[in-house]
Formats: sequence, structure tokens, C-alpha cells
Amino acid sequence: AQTVTQSQPEMSVQEAETVTLSCTYDTSESDYYLFWYKQPPSRQMILVIRQEAYKQQNATENRFSVNFQKAAKSFSLKISDSQLGDAAMYFCACLLAGYALNFGKGTSLLVTP
Amino acid sequence: DADVTQTPRNRITKTGKRIMLECSQTKGHDRMYWYRQDPGLGLRLIYYSFDVKDINKGEISDGYSVSRQAQAKFSLSLESAIPNQTALYFCATIPFGGLKSYEQYFGPGTRLTVT
Repeated sequence: AQTVTQSQPEMSVQEAETVTLSCTYDTSESDYYLFWYKQPPSRQMILVIRQEAYKQQNATENRFSVNFQKAAKSFSLKISDSQLGDAAMYFCACLLAGYALNFGKGTSLLVTP
Repeated sequence: DADVTQTPRNRITKTGKRIMLECSQTKGHDRMYWYRQDPGLGLRLIYYSFDVKDINKGEISDGYSVSRQAQAKFSLSLESAIPNQTALYFCATIPFGGLKSYEQYFGPGTRLTVT
């Protein structure tokens, strides 16, 4: 079994500042993928960033980057230069090869002007 | 056109009614999934299918059934709806192999309310 834990139900950041969302996971598998999804009020699930477990280099996508600590089973998301449009629910997820995504409970991000 | 579509987008039904949620995809992916989202609980897996003849239960399959009518279609049924099945339901597909391996494509969701 695997579990994904997001310990921050809510976070707040000021516009243009940086915020880090935490995620830990637990799996005994060696082949897996990690994702961060954004869910705005429109409720659409939007992929923010992905990380393959076999890659040591942390993934980056524009203002979004991750800090992947494989030994610690930690996968945090850093949002730089936060924008009002970043306000949403963020989900961390782990995918084992050949199975399905297992999600954390989510972190609600509020961006203040 | 959207890659993954869900119908209906919103539905209100009464306790005891049978209801079907439908999902179609144009991605050509073999793997399809149904998730349920409840506030504070994230998304939880109901059923998944790796091909038309391969259907598997997820962690919360009780009270639900599925049908994989074709590679592109995967339906979720509530045989006798109950109020605690009120939730947001997502269908998703996933490719297997290639540069975007394992990146799930989500439908827009179906908001189901059982009164």
C-alpha cells in the first residue's frame, strides 16, 4: 500500500512572494512517478509538474519547481513569484508503475494582493 | 474537442435511483479510471480498467459498478444511489509508454447530488 500526506490543509502567500507546499509519500516500490495537480474553482484537474523517481534532478516548470528527496520520501512544490491565478487547491499524487494515482488530501492555497 | 469528456456534468438524483455516469476519451489510451472527490479527502480510486477485458476495483468500489464498452468508453453506475455518494466524480485516462508515460488526463468532472 502507499500513502500520500499533505500536512498543510491551507496555506497563504502574498502576491510576488514564494511559497512551498509539502508532501510526503510512502511506498516500497522503486519505480514510481510523482505529480502536483492544481484544481481551481472550475474544478478541472491541471497537471503542474511531474517527477520520475529514477531522476535525481528536480523538475521545474517556469515558476514551479520541486524539491524531491527520495530517501526522505519528500516531494515539495515551490511556487515563485506567486500570482493571483495560482490560488487553488493543490494535490500531490504518487503513481506506481502499472497502477493508479494515489492522492493526498490537498492544500488550499490563498494568494493575497 | 476535449480529450476526455464526461456526461452529465451535473446531476441531482433521489435516493434509491439508478444512475450512470459516462466517460469517453479520444486519446486512444488503454487505461481508464474513475475517481471520487470529497472535500478534505482528496481523490479516491473507485475502479480502473487496463483494457476492455481487464477491470479492477479500487479502494472505494462498494456501491458502484463499471462497464468498459469499448476502448474509448468507461461508464460508472450507482445501482441504488445513497446520499453519501454525493461527490465530484472524475474520469481519467493514462498512456503507457512514451515521453508522457503515466501522465493522467482528467475529464471535467461530474457533480452528483443524491437527495
